[in-house]
Amino acid sequence: AQSVSQHNHHVILSEAASLELGCNYSYGGTVNLFWYVQYPGQHLQLLLKYFSGDPLVKGIKGFEAEFIKSKFSFNLRKPSVQWSDTAEYFCAVKGMGTGRRALTFGSGTRLQVQP
Amino acid sequence: SAVISQKPSRDICQRGTSLTIQCQVDSQVTMMFWYRQQPGQSLTLIATANQGSEATYESGFVIDKFPISRPNLTFSTLTVSNMSPEDSSIYLCSVERRGGIDLETQYFGPGTRLLVL
Repeated sequence: AQSVSQHNHHVILSEAASLELGCNYSYGGTVNLFWYVQYPGQHLQLLLKYFSGDPLVKGIKGFEAEFIKSKFSFNLRKPSVQWSDTAEYFCAVKGMGTGRRALTFGSGTRLQVQP
Repeated sequence: SAVISQKPSRDICQRGTSLTIQCQVDSQVTMMFWYRQQPGQSLTLIATANQGSEATYESGFVIDKFPISRPNLTFSTLTVSNMSPEDSSIYLCSVERRGGIDLETQYFGPGTRLLVL
């Protein structure tokens, strides 16, 4: 079975600080990896995804994530956060070759950016 | 991405009653899923809605409690039956397209916020 761990449950940053949110997954095979964001009062939106190729992927709003296969990690980063980045961030994985098409989500990280 | 709508957006229901949630997509999609997001928690898959056949349920979820229909490639319903306060949650519809750049990528509806008294 596949699982996802997000170790940071609640992160508080000041504007312009750098951000890194951890995501580790457990699955021995090929994976597709995703980060979703849920802004207050809004629905879940795709930030970025990794399927294959360059392990450093860029998403919307200046976010990027790096896939490190040896560490089973897919950490999300942003060099300088803004107050508008306040939201909940979810890492998700889909294990390929399992026949399972649904996503397995981490527990989420609540990011609070203070002006 | 896909444009996904859900009805109702929110509801307050009495225990013992049932609520049917609708999910409509603006174009044909391969896969449709139903997730639950309980207060302060992450998303948990309830089932995969299969077009023209019975849904595939995850462990802990049963058809009698969460009957699902998917009559075509753009529409699905989830019913929460015989509700109890523990069913208070956000119910989310998710879709995955047939191909193109969106292949293997899921997009989510706005959710239905359910409160059971």
